[in-house]
Amino acid sequence: DSGVTQTPKHLITATGQRVTLRCSPRSGDLSVYWYQQSLDQGLQFLIQYYNGEERAKGNILERFSAQQFPDLHSELNLSSLELGDSALYFCASSVDAEVSPLHFGNGTRLTVT
Amino acid sequence: GIQVEQSPPDLILQEGANSTLRCNFSDSVNNLQWFHQNPWGQLINLFYIPSGTKQNGRLSATTVATERYSLLYISSSQTTDSGVYFCAVVRRDSWGKLQFGAGTQVVVTP
Repeated sequence: DSGVTQTPKHLITATGQRVTLRCSPRSGDLSVYWYQQSLDQGLQFLIQYYNGEERAKGNILERFSAQQFPDLHSELNLSSLELGDSALYFCASSVDAEVSPLHFGNGTRLTVT
Repeated sequence: GIQVEQSPPDLILQEGANSTLRCNFSDSVNNLQWFHQNPWGQLINLFYIPSGTKQNGRLSATTVATERYSLLYISSSQTTDSGVYFCAVVRRDSWGKLQFGAGTQVVVTP
């Protein structure tokens, strides 16, 4: 067990809908990262938050947004969902901002129908 | 962005065999990690190894940052070693953006 908790494990929703994925980092970790894993794109970095502030941004669509709360948990919001958004979404955490060993949660599998 | 190339893309091993996985990257990095994604989809951090050599049980890794490559060694493979092995790097001056290679799919047969 990595200590990173993601909910829900599975999510099935329709095109055009909005969903929220939740992540609790390991105790003591200040950075949270979001990744998307799909068959055609592989593991893609979306965004990083460090101690509540956005730190680095990757290939995150404008329809997607994230935030990190004062208790350090993070949420990834996906809106106007399309079929192509179906993927495994991972959250990861690390102690500091510099991607010291990264520890991943078990992921949320999103299926858009 | 930085290119991360892993080879081979696929590997089939008999239990007990040894193997070497390679990761080449196209630019200077200040962070390199190896991960194992098991058949259930869990991503496990194996090594944080921006340079040098580390060992953890039957696994070891070596990164030669000046030559832009890293190697992951699996010795005496077991069926539980099956899965996908990913190399991931952070390019110097790209803080936070850990970029993943496409992975090496390993199947260990009894």
